[in-house]
Amino acid sequence: DIQMTQSPSSLSASVGDRVTITCRASQGIRNFLAWYQQKPGKVPNVLIYAASTLQSGVPSRFSGSGSGTDFTLTISSLQPEDVASYYCQKYNSAPLTFGGGTKVEIK
Amino acid sequence: EVQLLESGGGLVQPGGSLRLSCAASGFTFSNYAMNWVRQAPGKGLEWVSAITNTGDSTYYADTVKGRFTISRDNSQNTLYLQMSSLRAEDTSVYYCVKARSGDIAAAGNYWGQGTLVTVSS
Repeated sequence: DIQMTQSPSSLSASVGDRVTITCRASQGIRNFLAWYQQKPGKVPNVLIYAASTLQSGVPSRFSGSGSGTDFTLTISSLQPEDVASYYCQKYNSAPLTFGGGTKVEIK
Repeated sequence: EVQLLESGGGLVQPGGSLRLSCAASGFTFSNYAMNWVRQAPGKGLEWVSAITNTGDSTYYADTVKGRFTISRDNSQNTLYLQMSSLRAEDTSVYYCVKARSGDIAAAGNYWGQGTLVTVSS
């Protein structure tokens, strides 16, 4: 099975900082990758699918890139409401594995 | 408006069984694949199972294979997860997740509020 490795597992950054989270697949998954945001105590929400397509209603400061095995989620200017855990998920074929998650905090 | 309402969670003893349901509304249920995703307390997300829009194909995580069964009733717009031989490590919030297409190779775009399953004696 394909493993999904996210890094870092946590980060602390200042408001306005550019934040980058990476997700690496152990084998190529083309662009079958989604990113989810889960705010504390809330249900996860999709941010990006097909590696780089922004879900409707998601702020444009979020962006995704990558293909094959290496993917990136970028927050161009971190806002207080972005405090959350972020997860990548591959969905090219079963199992639809999630990455371990990245907890983002404000410094 | 898409709505997914899970039910059936609760406290069950190790080795016991439970059936979760997910009532869907606001979209043509029979057109979309569906998933179950779980989250243990304080832990990350774990994909559990998926089913195609027709129900013809089902898929499972290795951790639940042989113990859990996913199914759907398109006439009732309802997704199910039959769980048996439950273990303490199955304790989680279980989410029902709608896929973007009828095939499982599609990201989830709507999540239910979740139902808590606690396996304990």
